[in-house]
Amino acid sequence: AQKVTQAQTEISVVEKEDVTLDCVYETRDTTYYLFWYKQPPSGELVFLIRRNSFDEQNEISGRYSWNFQKSTSSFNFTITASQVVDSAVYFCALRGVQPLIIQGAQKLVFGQGTRLTINP
Amino acid sequence: DAMVIQNPRYQVTQFGKPVTLSCSQTLNHNVMYWYQQKSSQAPKLLFHYYDKDFNNEADTPDNFQSRRPNTSFCFLDIRSPGLGDAAMYLCATSRDGEGYEQYFGPGTRLTVT
Repeated sequence: AQKVTQAQTEISVVEKEDVTLDCVYETRDTTYYLFWYKQPPSGELVFLIRRNSFDEQNEISGRYSWNFQKSTSSFNFTITASQVVDSAVYFCALRGVQPLIIQGAQKLVFGQGTRLTINP
Repeated sequence: DAMVIQNPRYQVTQFGKPVTLSCSQTLNHNVMYWYQQKSSQAPKLLFHYYDKDFNNEADTPDNFQSRRPNTSFCFLDIRSPGLGDAAMYLCATSRDGEGYEQYFGPGTRLTVT
């Protein structure tokens, strides 16, 4: 079975602080994909990043960075110099790959989300 | 801009009165998904279409149906809404193939009175 755990239900920081959102996953697939999505108060889920299981390089995009560590089954997300606009619920998600492509087997497994509040 | 569009953004219906939510996409993706999201919870997949092939999740109630008349449009029909069906309904699309990310629409917030 696949599972994603985001242990931090809510985080609140003051603007300009750095903040890290944790994501731990479980899967038996050798090939899998990890994602982060942002859900602002408007409700739309916004895709942030995709990582495949063979690429453990960390990634940086502006103030956002992601740390993928297969050894600890973690895919953590750091926001540097946080801003009020970063306030949202952030979801980590996992999708495995079947040995044969099974039509329809494209299900995303979401964590429960972390509500991040950036205070001015 | 290419995108996923959902109409209406807010829908109020009466208990037991059928309701249809719509989703359209300009991304030309062949996979479309419907999710239900309740307050403070993760999105829950109801079903998805792989082209015209319908794939239902095992725990999706029979009360929920879907239609996909063409690549661009997909509908969610709730035949007899109950109070427990009040939620945000999210439509998403993705390309065929492993690993592709899903793109979500803005959602329709359904209220059942």
